[in-house]
Amino acid sequence: IQMTQSPSSLSASVGDRVTITCRASRGISNYLAWYQQKPGKGPKLLIYAASTLQPGVPSRFSGSVSGADFTLTISSLQPEDVATYYCQNYIGAPYTFGQGTKLEIK
Amino acid sequence: EVHLVESGGGLVKPGGSLRLSCAASGFTFSDYTMNWVRQAPGSGLEWVASISGRLTDIYYADSVKGRFTISRDNAKNSLFLQMDSLRAEDTAMYYCAYRNPSVSWGLGTTVTVSS
Repeated sequence: IQMTQSPSSLSASVGDRVTITCRASRGISNYLAWYQQKPGKGPKLLIYAASTLQPGVPSRFSGSVSGADFTLTISSLQPEDVATYYCQNYIGAPYTFGQGTKLEIK
Repeated sequence: EVHLVESGGGLVKPGGSLRLSCAASGFTFSDYTMNWVRQAPGSGLEWVASISGRLTDIYYADSVKGRFTISRDNAKNSLFLQMDSLRAEDTAMYYCAYRNPSVSWGLGTTVTVSS
């Protein structure tokens, strides 16, 4: 299964609504997770089952699915959200990741 | 609290071998699938291998199949990755990750393959 993530990079202002998309090459139901990786750190699980927020993750993060397209939305961008974001399918091996989206503040 | 600590990384020549370890604590280790995920310098995340809690299901990425072997010792709460026939393109930070999706990750151990 190929996971195609877009955009590869994104620059937005504090308070902006930000959207990152991930498309699976074939059906994965809702077996889609989103991770955040800050520079020099390991990844952190944000969302699983396409739209379920991991405990402790701020409510400005949300996930949704429409057909084969999965979306991560940050409703109001904060400075601490600067990171690279990855999607991953976990319906079965290989548990492929998207290419990543590097998010910066304007 | 889940705690994962990787070790065993280092500098190795092409064609060489290395064995990574991951010490786990804070959960019933034998109940859960464990993964190795790597990240080459300046690149994205690449899933490498998975092993189920009872060792019944083992999977590898095509890029490492036949060269890497994932294993675990449930009595010692430890996960391993035996890496043979190493190539320059195996140079990466290697992370141990708990469950699918991966709820917790270690800090990683660096593997450099270079002559």
